[in-house]
Amino acid sequence: EIVMTQSPATLSVSPGERATLSCRASQSIGSYLVWYQQKPGQAPRLLLDDASTRATGIPARFSGSGSGTEFTLTISSLQSEDFAIYYCQQYSNWPRTFGQGTKVEMK
Amino acid sequence: QVQLVQSGAEVKKPGASVKISCEASGYTFTDNALHWVRQAPGQGLEWVGWIDTDNGNTRYAQKFQGRVTITRDISARTAYMELSSLISQDTAVYFCARGAGYWGQGTLVTVSS
Repeated sequence: EIVMTQSPATLSVSPGERATLSCRASQSIGSYLVWYQQKPGQAPRLLLDDASTRATGIPARFSGSGSGTEFTLTISSLQSEDFAIYYCQQYSNWPRTFGQGTKVEMK
Repeated sequence: QVQLVQSGAEVKKPGASVKISCEASGYTFTDNALHWVRQAPGQGLEWVGWIDTDNGNTRYAQKFQGRVTITRDISARTAYMELSSLISQDTAVYFCARGAGYWGQGTLVTVSS
């Protein structure tokens, strides 16, 4: 199975700053990657599909890049509502697999 | 609007089985597959399995093979996930999801003696 590795595990950022989250796949997945945001007690929320396509209603401060094995989620200017856990997931191969998550916390 | 409504919380003893439902509305049920994902307390997301709601084909994570069964009832617009031989480590919130964009509210399954 494809192993998804996210880094860092925790990212401490001040509001207004830029946050850069990484996701690495153990083998090439093309652009078959999604990013989710999850807040406590809630279901995951889709942010980006196809590695870089923002889902409906997602603000432009969220952007994604990468293909193959290396992917990045960038939040250009963190807002208070962006402090959450972020997960990547590949849908290139079965089984679908998630990264272990990156917690974005307030510095 | 697309909605996925799951059944309520369950408490089960070790060795028992649990069956969770996921009722879909707001779209043609057979047009989109459904996934099941779980999340243990304080842990990350774990993919459990998938069903093609049109033909009933399924795929499961190797970890759950032999213990999980995903089915659907087209007339009821509902998918089901049954997990057997429960152990304490199966305590988790179980989500159904249509693709990546639509998720159920989650069902807490607690396994405790």
